[in-house]
Amino acid sequence: DIQMTQSPSSLSASVGDRVTIICRASQGIGNDLGWYQQKPGKAPKRLIYAASSLQSGVPSRFSGSGSGTEFTLTISSLQPEDFATYYCLQHNSYPITSGQGTRLEIK
Amino acid sequence: EVQLVESGGGLVQPGGSLRLSCAASGFTFSDHYMDWVRQAPGKGLEWVGRTRNKAKSYTTEYAASVKGRFTVSRDDSKKSLYLQMNSLKTEDTAVYYCARVDGDNKFTYDYWGQGTPVTVSS
Repeated sequence: DIQMTQSPSSLSASVGDRVTIICRASQGIGNDLGWYQQKPGKAPKRLIYAASSLQSGVPSRFSGSGSGTEFTLTISSLQPEDFATYYCLQHNSYPITSGQGTRLEIK
Repeated sequence: EVQLVESGGGLVQPGGSLRLSCAASGFTFSDHYMDWVRQAPGKGLEWVGRTRNKAKSYTTEYAASVKGRFTVSRDDSKKSLYLQMNSLKTEDTAVYYCARVDGDNKFTYDYWGQGTPVTVSS
């Protein structure tokens, strides 16, 4: 199985901050990675697919990069609605596996 | 508008069975692979299983933790996805989501249902 290691597990930041979340795969997955945002009591929502492609309708302050084994999700200027939990999922091989999640909290 | 609506969750005793459904609308259901993903209370996302489309003979894949106990199926005529869960264990307690697989974009999930909670407890 491909292990996805996501860091940090939690992050405290302020509105306007730039934040970066990292996801590392235990073996190469090309760009078969998605980033998802989840708010309490809600289903996840896709932000990024193919590691760096922005989902339609998602603000451009979100960006993804990376390929192979290291991936990043960057939020360029945090907005109040961005405080949520973020997950990376690899869609390269079975079983599909997820990072542990990053809980982004307001400082 | 794409919609996925799960149903069938509830409280079941260990060793029992439950069948979840996911009703799809707003897209050509038969074209898409469909997955089940679950989330235990306070935990992260765990992939459960997949059904491919007719073109891929409706073949399925499962997580090791559910293989042999859970069955993913679909009825394209009813635009519905199912998860038959047998021999349930307490560790199967979770919110279960159905998710549409976006075959054009690296098989990531472009739409999710709202989830249905399953509690396995005596």
